[in-house]
This record gives sequence, structure tokens and C-alpha cells, in this order.
Amino acid sequence: QKEVEQDPGPLSVPEGAIVSLNCTYSNSAFQYFMWYRQYSRKGPELLMYTYSSGNKEDGRFTAQVDKSSKYISLFIRDSQPSDSATYLCAMSARNTGTASKLTFGTGTRLQVTL
Amino acid sequence: DTAVSQTPKYLVTQMGNDKSIKCEQNLGHDTMYWYKQDSKKFLKIMFSYNNKELIINETVPNRFSPKSPDKAHLNLHINSLELGDSAVYFCASSPHPLGGTTYEQYFGPGTRLTVT
Repeated sequence: QKEVEQDPGPLSVPEGAIVSLNCTYSNSAFQYFMWYRQYSRKGPELLMYTYSSGNKEDGRFTAQVDKSSKYISLFIRDSQPSDSATYLCAMSARNTGTASKLTFGTGTRLQVTL
Repeated sequence: DTAVSQTPKYLVTQMGNDKSIKCEQNLGHDTMYWYKQDSKKFLKIMFSYNNKELIINETVPNRFSPKSPDKAHLNLHINSLELGDSAVYFCASSPHPLGGTTYEQYFGPGTRLTVT
């Protein structure tokens, strides 16, 4: 079993829809949670990060963490065609020292249609 | 003004050859990483260097050898290339914990390696 599980999709939604992307994890040492967005043939870019259970909002994006269920989500409101990309969740056991070993999910491909 | 750059962008080579990929960052970050992304988009860390010192070394065949001549550069040399090495290799960098967070990693555009 992988440490981080993520539905690969593809997920196709109409413009303006609310999108829900999810990851589950098995390692209870994970404390820091991130969402990266990767456009086709590009490198991943950090969208959001959080380290506590609960919600964190940034514009149209909301990250939600439930450590008791080992479950994280990313919600996208009013989705746009420009949101079409692969979304990768990532987790880290701790953020001390000089480097973080991130464990990534396999990514969910999202397509927002006009 | 590219933050993390990699060369080459594409690399096609035959089994058994030796090749290198170069990475440079102009963000002033202390830590750099190499990741491998397979055909199923799974991204896995290979190595990390902090200020020229190796600090993360995952279970990677020793045909892969990273080298960091200075903290702005991290190169990856691969000996005796195999078909299974075909993947996209990403370089990333992150700031020192005092100036940011190390999970705030900035990725390069990737090098698509095809071994035939």
C-alpha cells in the first residue's frame, strides 16, 4: 500500500463548478500538507500548504486537513478552464533541519470544460 | 528571469550510455533536490543537497551520482543508462528554514529522458 493515495482521475467538470480533490495517507507522522499544481509538460508549482487540521482558504482555493481520518482535500470554487492541470498532494513528516522529504500522491488530472 | 532552470529539456539516448543533467537556481536558496517522475506521474525524491552537502539520499541505484559544485547548482550524472531510467527528472530548490519553509519547493521545468 502506498503511503499516500490519490484518485488519478481524470475528473471533468464544467466551468464554474466546485471541484473536490482528495488524498488519504497512512503515515501518522505526516504533519505538513501541501497541494501542488502541474500543467502539462511543466514542473509542479506550490498552491497551498498547511500543518494543522481544519481549513485554510486562499482565493478560490480551500485546503482542508482531517488528521484523525488521515484525509486531506483541496476545493476549487468557480473553476476555470485555466485550472485544468494535474493536482498533486504532498506531505512531510516534519519541517526541521535543512530539507524536507516530500511524499507525493500520484496526482489527479482535472479538466474544466467551457 | 527563470528561477530554476534545467538543461537539457529533452534527452534521447541509447542503453548503456552515460549522460548528465544540469540544474541552476537563481533564488538564493540553500537546498536543492532531484526528483524522478514516472509515466504515471508519480513524483519521487532521489537526492537533496544543502549548501553543497548531501543530506537526503533515497534508495537510488549508484549509477546515479549527484554533484553540487556550489549552492546554486546541482547536476545529476547517470551511468550505464537503462530502459527503466526513462522518466522526467525535476530539479527543485527551497529556502533555508530561517528564511522560509523547506516544503516550499520550487521546481524546474523538467528534463524528459528517453532511453532506447
